[in-house]
Amino acid sequence: DIQMTQSPSSLSASVGDRVTITCQASQDISNYLNWYQQKPGKAPKLLIYDASNLETGVPSRFSGSGSGTDFTFTINSLQPEDIATYYCQQYGDLPRPITFGQGTRLQIK
Amino acid sequence: QVQLVESGGGVVQPGRSLRLSCAASGFTFSSYGMHWVRQAPGKGLEWVTLISYDGRNEYYADSVKGRFAISRDNSRNRMYVYLQMNSLRPEDTAVYYCAKGKGRGKWQQLVDYWGQGTLVTVSS
Repeated sequence: DIQMTQSPSSLSASVGDRVTITCQASQDISNYLNWYQQKPGKAPKLLIYDASNLETGVPSRFSGSGSGTDFTFTINSLQPEDIATYYCQQYGDLPRPITFGQGTRLQIK
Repeated sequence: QVQLVESGGGVVQPGRSLRLSCAASGFTFSSYGMHWVRQAPGKGLEWVTLISYDGRNEYYADSVKGRFAISRDNSRNRMYVYLQMNSLRPEDTAVYYCAKGKGRGKWQQLVDYWGQGTLVTVSS
């Protein structure tokens, strides 16, 4: 199975800051990498798909980049409502299992 | 408006079985793959299983292979996906989310909508 390593596992930032989370795959996954946001007590929400595509209705301050094994998720100008845990997820050639990163908990400083 | 409503969770003893249901509405159900994803208390997300849009293909995480089975009903008036869970273990304790694939081909693996989840607790 492909292992996804997210970093950091948690971070604290101020409103207006630029926040960056990285995700590293244990092998080449091309651009088959998605990012989800999960607020406390809620279901996850898709933000970015295929590494860099913004899901419909998601604010443009969220962005993603990368390919192969190294990926980056960025929030430009952090807002209070962005407090959540963020997960990367890889997919590819079935029946290879879909796997998630361990999550990054984002808090306001 | 896509809606996914899970039911069937509860407390069950180790070794017993449980079946979860997910009622879908607001989209052409028979055109999309469907997933179950779980989250143990205070832990991260773990993908469990995927069934293709037509029910012909099923895929499982190694942790549940041989114990869990996904199925679906594509009848026009009964849009459901199910998760039959057998030989349950304490480590299967989690919130189970029903989720919709974004499209066909590889995109069936990409989840774009989630239900609110149902809690399964495996304990004696």
